[in-house]
Amino acid sequence: NAGVTQTPKFRVLKTGQSMTLLCAQDMNHEYMYWYRQDPGMGLRLIHYSVGEGTTAKGEVPDGYNVSRLKKQNFLLGLESAAPSQTSVYFCASSTSGSKNIQYFGAGTRLSVL
Amino acid sequence: GQNIDQPTEMTATEGAIVQINCTYQTSGFNGLFWYQQHAGEAPTFLSYNVLDGLEEKGRFSSFLSRSKGYSYLLLKELQMKDSASYLCAVRGPNAGKSTFGDGTTLTVKP
Repeated sequence: NAGVTQTPKFRVLKTGQSMTLLCAQDMNHEYMYWYRQDPGMGLRLIHYSVGEGTTAKGEVPDGYNVSRLKKQNFLLGLESAAPSQTSVYFCASSTSGSKNIQYFGAGTRLSVL
Repeated sequence: GQNIDQPTEMTATEGAIVQINCTYQTSGFNGLFWYQQHAGEAPTFLSYNVLDGLEEKGRFSSFLSRSKGYSYLLLKELQMKDSASYLCAVRGPNAGKSTFGDGTTLTVKP
């Protein structure tokens, strides 16, 4: 009963390095999301997807790219990491219905030095 | 766009009742969600309102007034484990997108 799984759980990067965060869900959900959460703040939407092969920009997309080649996976890429991208990243998935409750992964804690 | 306001912090006593308010301004409304987030953990779903009125689920209830752009989460018989951040989220007109408030950190004291 895995739900939403994020890897890795922790990562430290140097400025300018690249990395990919992986999100996998086993609930056959149509929608998937990537958020970042900074201390004392709510969740800000980076990118989201309403189905396999589709992606769209959220509130704070700059510096990030995403891909959804398979329905169960949603990848978040940082091409050239910056200290401002130090944050906790959450992936979530939901159904496409009106009551689309989001189920969250455990989060990835990323530090960019 | 969406603008959501919640109090930053609240404190209450074990066994008491607390009400956490959320006001929103939106260009389109398709439902309001409340999530609970314990420190260092992921958010988990608590309640959903799309029509005006009160939804009750055990110790937790949530109220919505669409005309006033207002919701509240009511927690009864507070327990220490209710100490957490409570996030209000509004689903807008675009499929799948919800905007989250900054959350209200509730501290329950003995």
